[in-house]
Amino acid sequence: AQTVTQSQPEMSVQEAETVTLSCTYDTSESDYYLFWYKQPPSRQMILVIRQEAYKQQNATENRFSVNFQKAAKSFSLKISDSQLGDAAMYFCAYRRRETSGSRLTFGEGTQLTVNP
Amino acid sequence: DTGVSQDPRHKITKRGQNVTFRCDPISEHNRLYWYRQTLGQGPEFLTYFQNEAQLEKSRLLSDRFSAERPKGSFSTLEIQRTEQGDSAMYLCASSFFRTQYNEQFFGPGTRLTVL
Repeated sequence: AQTVTQSQPEMSVQEAETVTLSCTYDTSESDYYLFWYKQPPSRQMILVIRQEAYKQQNATENRFSVNFQKAAKSFSLKISDSQLGDAAMYFCAYRRRETSGSRLTFGEGTQLTVNP
Repeated sequence: DTGVSQDPRHKITKRGQNVTFRCDPISEHNRLYWYRQTLGQGPEFLTYFQNEAQLEKSRLLSDRFSAERPKGSFSTLEIQRTEQGDSAMYLCASSFFRTQYNEQFFGPGTRLTVL
């Protein structure tokens, strides 16, 4: 079974600074997707960024980027120029390739606080 | 608003009662998923449908839980004889299988409190 671990229950960052959220996972599969989701307080979860395991290049989306280390099974999220609106719970998630199923497996989450 | 909607947003019930939640996916999305999220934890997969067919169920989905998706549109999740341990946020998501990433879009959730 696949597992996802986020070892940082809480993180804080100053506005305009950079923060990195950690995630490790365990799988015997070689082809899969990894995701970071953001869940603001009392609002629905939205996708921040995705990474395909067969791609060596790290994904980037504006101020968000990942450091994907496949051999180490590590998938961290870097948020640059942090904004107050980035404050939320962040979840790392794993999904097998489509032909093998569709379920997302989530980590425990990291609560990010952005200080003005 | 054309996103995933869920109803009700909050439900308080007494132990032993039955409850039913509804999820309306994004129009044209053929896959629909149910997850459960307890306080301070990440969502856990319960089940998913492709059109009206229920393709996978988690072991978390005990006999007291049943989900349906008649006609492949909206879905309902029913919990019979609720227990205090059923208190959680129930999240629905939908996706369009056959797109490159089959991205799941989440609804706002239904928060269940069992007294």
